[in-house]
Amino acid sequence: AQKITQTQPGMFVQEKEAVTLDCTYDTSDPSYGLFWYKQPSSGEMIFLIYQGSYDQQNATEGRYSLNFQKARKSANLVISASQLGDSAMYFCAMRDLYSGAGSYQLTFGKGTKLSVIP
Amino acid sequence: DGGITQSPKYLFRKEGQNVTLSCEQNLNHDAMYWYRQDPGQGLRLIYYSQIVNDFQKGDIAEGYSVSREKKESFPLTVTSAQKNPTAFYLCASNGDGLEHEQFFGPGTRLTVL
Repeated sequence: AQKITQTQPGMFVQEKEAVTLDCTYDTSDPSYGLFWYKQPSSGEMIFLIYQGSYDQQNATEGRYSLNFQKARKSANLVISASQLGDSAMYFCAMRDLYSGAGSYQLTFGKGTKLSVIP
Repeated sequence: DGGITQSPKYLFRKEGQNVTLSCEQNLNHDAMYWYRQDPGQGLRLIYYSQIVNDFQKGDIAEGYSVSREKKESFPLTVTSAQKNPTAFYLCASNGDGLEHEQFFGPGTRLTVL
């Protein structure tokens, strides 16, 4: 079974500063994918970034980067130059890439609420 | 524009009533999902469907039912057997390929009066 742990229920960051949101995971699967989503107060889930377990480099997408440490089973999201619009819930999720049933199921953490202070 | 629509945005139900939440996608995705989100919690999988006319129970399927008669549509019925149905419900779909992300609809907030 897969498990995602996000230990920070809430975080504050000053506008224009960088912030790291923690995510640790547990899986026995040899190949897996890690996803980060943003959920603003409107409720819709917005995909941010993806990291495959066999990717050699850490993923980056604009101001988002993923600090992937496979041995420590962590996949922390780094947001650079925080903006007021970054205030939202952030969820880490994972999926087995050898899913024989092809279900593409995601396992989600409980999320971190990020508040950006002007 | 391609995407997922959910209706209604807000839904109120009296105890003992069944209600159906709509989910439609025009992304041509085979796989579709229903999640439930409670305050301060992550998403929990209710049902999923990998192909038309086939669906599987997720982690919290009791009190819910689904159908998948068309590729574009995956409605969720919250039955009177669901003891605590007040929650935020999200529908999602996934393109082919395990490295592809799930796309989400805007959600339906269900409140039982």
